[in-house]
Amino acid sequence: AQTVTQSQPEMSVQEAETVTLSCTYDTSESDYYLFWYKQPPSRQMILVIRQEAYKQQNATENRFSVNFQKAAKSFSLKISDSQLGDAAMYFCAYRSPRVSGAGSYQLTFGKGTKLSVIP
Amino acid sequence: GAGVSQSPSNKVTEKGKDVELRCDPISGHTALYWYRQSLGQGLEFLIYFQGNSAPDKSGLPSDRFSAERTGGSVSTLTIQRTQQEDSAVYLCASSLPAGPYNEQFFGPGTRLTVL
Repeated sequence: AQTVTQSQPEMSVQEAETVTLSCTYDTSESDYYLFWYKQPPSRQMILVIRQEAYKQQNATENRFSVNFQKAAKSFSLKISDSQLGDAAMYFCAYRSPRVSGAGSYQLTFGKGTKLSVIP
Repeated sequence: GAGVSQSPSNKVTEKGKDVELRCDPISGHTALYWYRQSLGQGLEFLIYFQGNSAPDKSGLPSDRFSAERTGGSVSTLTIQRTQQEDSAVYLCASSLPAGPYNEQFFGPGTRLTVL
């Protein structure tokens, strides 16, 4: 079974600075998908960025980018020019390309990192 | 368009009572997932529905948990004889026909507290 580990329960960053959130995973599959989700106090999970394992190029979405190291099974999230609205829980998630059970593509999540942004 | 909605937003119940949690997915989304988020934990997969296919119940923690999806749309998660360890936020997500890259859109969740 796949596992996802986020080793930083809490992080803080000064407004306008850059912060990197860590994520490692364990899998025996060669192809898979990785995601970062943001969960603000409203509880609604929002997709931040996603990466296909077969793509060598790191994904980027505006101020958010990832450092995907397939051999090391590492998938870190970098937030540049941090803003107060970035304060939230961030979850790293893994998804197998294969079906399981009756045909689902469920996400396997890490325990999350709580990010605080200091004005 | 409207996102995924869940009701109630919060539910407080007494140990041993049954509860029903509702999820209304995005129109046109045939895949629907339930997850549980316990305090300090990540999300744990519970059950998955895809159209009229048999659901994937592999994540349900016990036979006290069940779910149904009527008419391929609204879903209800039922917890019978609730226990204190059932206290958690229950999140629902929907997506276009299941595929590994299809984004799952989440609702705001139902916070269940079992006294």
